[in-house]
Amino acid sequence: DVKVTQSSRYLVKRTGEKVFLECVQDMDHENMFWYRQDPGLGLRLIYFSYDVKMKEKGDIPEGYSVSREKKERFSLILESASTNQTSMYLCASTSSGAPNTGELFFGEGSRLTVL
Amino acid sequence: GQNIDQPTEMTATEGAIVQINCTYQTSGFNGLFWYQQHAGEAPTFLSYNVLDGLEEKGRFSSFLSRSKGYSYLLLKELQMKDSASYLCAVDTGGFKTIFGAGTRLFVKA
Repeated sequence: DVKVTQSSRYLVKRTGEKVFLECVQDMDHENMFWYRQDPGLGLRLIYFSYDVKMKEKGDIPEGYSVSREKKERFSLILESASTNQTSMYLCASTSSGAPNTGELFFGEGSRLTVL
Repeated sequence: GQNIDQPTEMTATEGAIVQINCTYQTSGFNGLFWYQQHAGEAPTFLSYNVLDGLEEKGRFSSFLSRSKGYSYLLLKELQMKDSASYLCAVDTGGFKTIFGAGTRLFVKA
């Protein structure tokens, strides 16, 4: 069964702390994504990566960074967490190869609360 | 700007048919997705429309009109387990998929 696994389902952090969210996929997908999901706003793209060590900013990259050292792993880093980063974070992956609809495979999500 | 609109909530009765509409205005368009998301779970893929028209997959069908910037998801023979959020999303190209806020569907007995 194909899978995208996020390391933590629930995290509580304090303002100013550094936060790491880890994501691993076992489908050999080239492309990986980090979204945040907030009520009434839907999913918004933070960063994505189409290859190892490559990264591109999404629509809301401020306050975040990412790391992709291995094909299967994509990490989201909050250098100094703030209360407005309290959210559900979803990792996703997709293949670049054909046949490909661009379907995104999502992890279960990491709910982060910043106090 | 980029905009995807869908109703916030809908309620329907078990066994009935429900249509969830989605309108979009995006700078690019490769295709339109529908995803289903149960509370506390990951979104899962339902359909992907590239060309105009209706695509049927079991109890679920999805329609696209590119000229009107419009899509709908049709759910037939509703079951209680269909209670979920339904996300409309546009593949704008360049690895970017933009999502609407989602429609929460409540199925009542």
